[in-house]
Amino acid sequence: QKEVEQNSGPLSVPEGAIASLNCTYSDRVSQSFFWYRQYSGKSPELIMSIYSNGDKEDGRFTAQLNKASQYVSLLIRDSQPSDSATYLCAVNNNDMRFGAGTRLTVKP
Amino acid sequence: DAGVIQSPRHEVTEMGQEVTLRCKPISGHDYLFWYRQTMMRGLELLIYFNNNVPIDDSGMPEDRFSAKMPNASFSTLKIQPSEPRDSAVYFCASTWGGENIQYFGAGTRLSVL
Repeated sequence: QKEVEQNSGPLSVPEGAIASLNCTYSDRVSQSFFWYRQYSGKSPELIMSIYSNGDKEDGRFTAQLNKASQYVSLLIRDSQPSDSATYLCAVNNNDMRFGAGTRLTVKP
Repeated sequence: DAGVIQSPRHEVTEMGQEVTLRCKPISGHDYLFWYRQTMMRGLELLIYFNNNVPIDDSGMPEDRFSAKMPNASFSTLKIQPSEPRDSAVYFCASTWGGENIQYFGAGTRLSVL
């Protein structure tokens, strides 16, 4: 079992829709969780961090964490074509482990 | 701050040659990470340093790979000898212990022919 698992996609949503990205992790003692966005040919950039169970909202982005289920998600409301990228889930215990990423395409 | 700086941005070399990738972390950061990214394997952690000391190098694929951090502002990742399967994008990232958020450099795209 991989330490951090994501659906590779591609996930395609129409402009204005909600995009839902999911991630599960295997290390139950993990404490910090992150979502990075990576445009093609670019480096990963942080968009959300979450440390406690529940929801955390930042603009159009909402991160959700459920430690009991070892599950992290990212919701993107009012998706825009500029949101088209690969989204990487990362889990930090003593070091950072990344999922393989989900490729999102937002169609105009 | 200029962010994490990596050089070169692109490197093309022939099999068997030595390759050295360089990284300058963000000033004040005490952790430095080296990653490799490929389509097949995604983003893999190779090694990370804390206060210039290697903490975990379990991700280094083979003895051909070595990394050093002689001071707080500079690190190298060396591959000797290089092989075509080493072709990938290599990222350096840094953070400070109280934050855990990693900041990535622009990466070095390595092609070994």
